[in-house]
Amino acid sequence: QQQVKQSPQSLIVQKGGISIINCAYENTAFDYFPWYQQFPGKGPALLIAIRPDVSEKKEGRFTISFNKSAKQFSLHIMDSQPGDSATYFCAASLRYNFNKFYFGSGTKLNVKP
Amino acid sequence: DGGITQSPKYLFRKEGQNVTLSCEQNLNHDAMYWYRQDPGQGLRLIYYSQIVNDFQKGDIAEGYSVSREKKESFPLTVTSAQKNPTAFYLCASSPSTGYNEQFFGPGTRLTVL
Repeated sequence: QQQVKQSPQSLIVQKGGISIINCAYENTAFDYFPWYQQFPGKGPALLIAIRPDVSEKKEGRFTISFNKSAKQFSLHIMDSQPGDSATYFCAASLRYNFNKFYFGSGTKLNVKP
Repeated sequence: DGGITQSPKYLFRKEGQNVTLSCEQNLNHDAMYWYRQDPGQGLRLIYYSQIVNDFQKGDIAEGYSVSREKKESFPLTVTSAQKNPTAFYLCASSPSTGYNEQFFGPGTRLTVL
């Protein structure tokens, strides 16, 4: 059973548009929610992360929105660029076991020029 | 440069052979991890280690073995008992405490012929 459910599986956005990727979880013990970006043939790299004591975190064109009551969080990429084309993974970790991450299944984003 | 190295980048083995994937880090991180990545399934945790000479099974440990004799090294052996070993394998590390990101290596693509 997957602990973190991610959608959509793939996403096509025009340059300059907004890309939105959603994740949902059930375990209320999760206490840290990072997003990773992965380019083909490379390892994932941390993009942005949030803790549930805030509802939104913004870093440049990337924003995480967090809805604790709905147990959902999402990544918004504003002014999407072709260089943003990559696979994005959401993840969650447990309050009492920070070392174990549970990853979503990934979203392959294609930003068309 | 600090980081995580994995070798080799591509590995080919015949069915029935054991193979060991290398992972080294010079970030002075206590915790290290092995993930398997298959298309459409995200990252699945194989093993993780929070300290030298100690490691725990992840979600898909069957057919794999690890050792942690040095802080810097966490090799993964894919045994002949692993039924579907062809995959992209990712090693990661993190500090052991707090809300810390996991840093990923570049990955090893294993193909079993």
